[in-house]
Amino acid sequence: SYVLTQPPSVSVAPGKTARISCGGNIIGSKGVHWYQQKPGQAPVLVVYDDSDRPSGIPERFSGSNSGNTATLIISRVEAGDEADYFCQVWDSSSDHPYVFGTGTKVTVL
Amino acid sequence: QVQLQESGPGLVQPSQTLSLTCTVSGGTVSSGGYYWSWIRQHPVKGLEWIGYIYYSGSTHYNPSLKSRVTISVEPSENQFSLNLRSVTAADTAVYYCARVGGANHFDYWGQGTLVTVSS
Repeated sequence: SYVLTQPPSVSVAPGKTARISCGGNIIGSKGVHWYQQKPGQAPVLVVYDDSDRPSGIPERFSGSNSGNTATLIISRVEAGDEADYFCQVWDSSSDHPYVFGTGTKVTVL
Repeated sequence: QVQLQESGPGLVQPSQTLSLTCTVSGGTVSSGGYYWSWIRQHPVKGLEWIGYIYYSGSTHYNPSLKSRVTISVEPSENQFSLNLRSVTAADTAVYYCARVGGANHFDYWGQGTLVTVSS
């Protein structure tokens, strides 16, 4: 089945920009979705279809996707952004179509 | 605003059946256009898709769990359910129900329920 690879951790200072990568074979041909998960809570969708934001998600959250890497970008990072972030794709050619990345822990310094 | 809520036992004995129900509010499982899904998360690990159901009753399961899983829908109760048979300690996880949005993303999630498999 399709594999999505994320770095285990990313550290960023408040006010700076965090970039979280999600690697997959020709991932640029797929729609990529991103979820934020804080301890003890359910995941929350923050970006869908590469770069769209659900209602209520700050503009500080954006995304890009090209080639073999998709990226979640968090601008002007705040302490409240500290969480685990997961990417996800739908692999139409697979019998296991809903695939999640390994997750990245974002630490705000 | 669509809301989902999981319910069911928090402790299941090995070899028994794990049964959970997801109650939907603010939307209906029979409205069409959406799949309703179960996802689990093992302790300190990533997310694993279990399967989904459409209001018509059509289903699609993760091949690794297919032989043990049944997902059903009860439109009159606005609920859908998960049965996972012959559980082992490896099935201990937080189980989430979620709605599958139009871009094949999970746009609404339940709060999750921890199920422990232990005697």
